[in-house]
Amino acid sequence: NAGVTQTPKFQVLKTGQSMTLQCAQDMNHEYMSWYRQDPGMGLRLIHYSVGAGITDQGEVPNGYNVSRSTTEDFPLRLLSAAPSQTSVYFCASSYSRGAETQYFGPGTRLLVL
Amino acid sequence: AQSVTQPDIHITVSEGASLELRCNYSYGATPYLFWYVQSPGQGLQLLLKYFSGDTLVQGIKGFEAEFKRSQSSFNLRKPSVHWSDAAEYFCAVVRGNKLVFGAGTILRVKS
Repeated sequence: NAGVTQTPKFQVLKTGQSMTLQCAQDMNHEYMSWYRQDPGMGLRLIHYSVGAGITDQGEVPNGYNVSRSTTEDFPLRLLSAAPSQTSVYFCASSYSRGAETQYFGPGTRLLVL
Repeated sequence: AQSVTQPDIHITVSEGASLELRCNYSYGATPYLFWYVQSPGQGLQLLLKYFSGDTLVQGIKGFEAEFKRSQSSFNLRKPSVHWSDAAEYFCAVVRGNKLVFGAGTILRVKS
């Protein structure tokens, strides 16, 4: 199993540009989530999904969209990038429908100029 | 409302010394508690978790943690630290369908 994979590893955007961060898992996990990590703030939940077709907002959802059309994939879309979205983004998944025992991807480092 | 507090931003210990990283949570129900470790430039790796039962849980890499309901704490311990333990450590608690993280503690190991 590849586990949780994320692409790209690093991205530079200009303010106002849009992009999609990809996340995929091959463990048939129901629960998937997106976090952003900023210094001194730990990881904050952006959006999560408890199964295909079901998504919900986390702690910091503004400026981000998600969809879950398949069990395997959970892309995160930045609609109009802002410098405040400069961060490291982590995708995670869990075998249950809850947030327990999540497995994390390697992260995507995003810089918005 | 802050759910997880890690009071120490940085901790420095000597190699071979014991380690305790503090974590306090605020959540009314029986909590699901976790410790994750993140090496520089890497993702997060699960060290250990507590759901129920024995309040002393063993994890990977020689770490253990003790759940104390009366103190709302879930402190991480290791009897003898190795240089490779230098990393950032995160405590987390499940709140509903969400995992809430503390701000993290950066561990430095001096030789």
